[in-house]
Amino acid sequence: RKEVEQDPGPFNVPEGATVAFNCTYSNSASQSFFWYRQDCRKEPKLLMSVYSSGNEDGRFTAQLNRASQYISLLIRDSKLSDSATYLCVRENYGQNFVFGPGTRLSVLP
Amino acid sequence: DAGVIQSPRHEVTEMGQEVTLRCKPISGHDYLFWYRQTMMRGLELLIYFNNNVPIDDSGMPEDRFSAKMPNASFSTLKIQPSEPRDSAVYFCASSLRGLVNEQFFGPGTRLTVL
Repeated sequence: RKEVEQDPGPFNVPEGATVAFNCTYSNSASQSFFWYRQDCRKEPKLLMSVYSSGNEDGRFTAQLNRASQYISLLIRDSKLSDSATYLCVRENYGQNFVFGPGTRLSVLP
Repeated sequence: DAGVIQSPRHEVTEMGQEVTLRCKPISGHDYLFWYRQTMMRGLELLIYFNNNVPIDDSGMPEDRFSAKMPNASFSTLKIQPSEPRDSAVYFCASSLRGLVNEQFFGPGTRLTVL
């Protein structure tokens, strides 16, 4: 099993829709998690960190479920500009840093 | 702030040639990372440095790859000899105080080995 797994998509959703992605990880010792966003032919950029209690930033909500070993990203009221690939990232107590393969989102007009 | 700077942005070379990729991290950042991204394998961490010292190079694919960081403002990733399977986008990233903090990525170098 890969260390970090994501559904590659693409997820095609209309503007205004709510969409959610999950990311599963295999290492139960993983400590910190992040969501990065990568636009086509651009570099990844941090979208948000994922805290144990869950966190929200505007239209974006991230959740962590340690018992089931997955993190999630919820996007409400999707915008055309949300079209990108979303990468989940697992950090393991400063030992290593693993990116998932990414989930591609296309928001359609 | 200029952000992470990488050069060249594009490199096309022939199999067997030496390739050198360059990176200037954000001033004041003490961690520097080299990644490779391909469609097949996604984004892979190759090596990272802390205060110019290599900490983990377990992601370096083989001896043809080497990385150096002679000072806090410059790093290189060298491939010698290059092979077609090395074709990828190579990203450099830097961060302040480690893996748990945001990594700022450079624009990447798109390498094509013919």
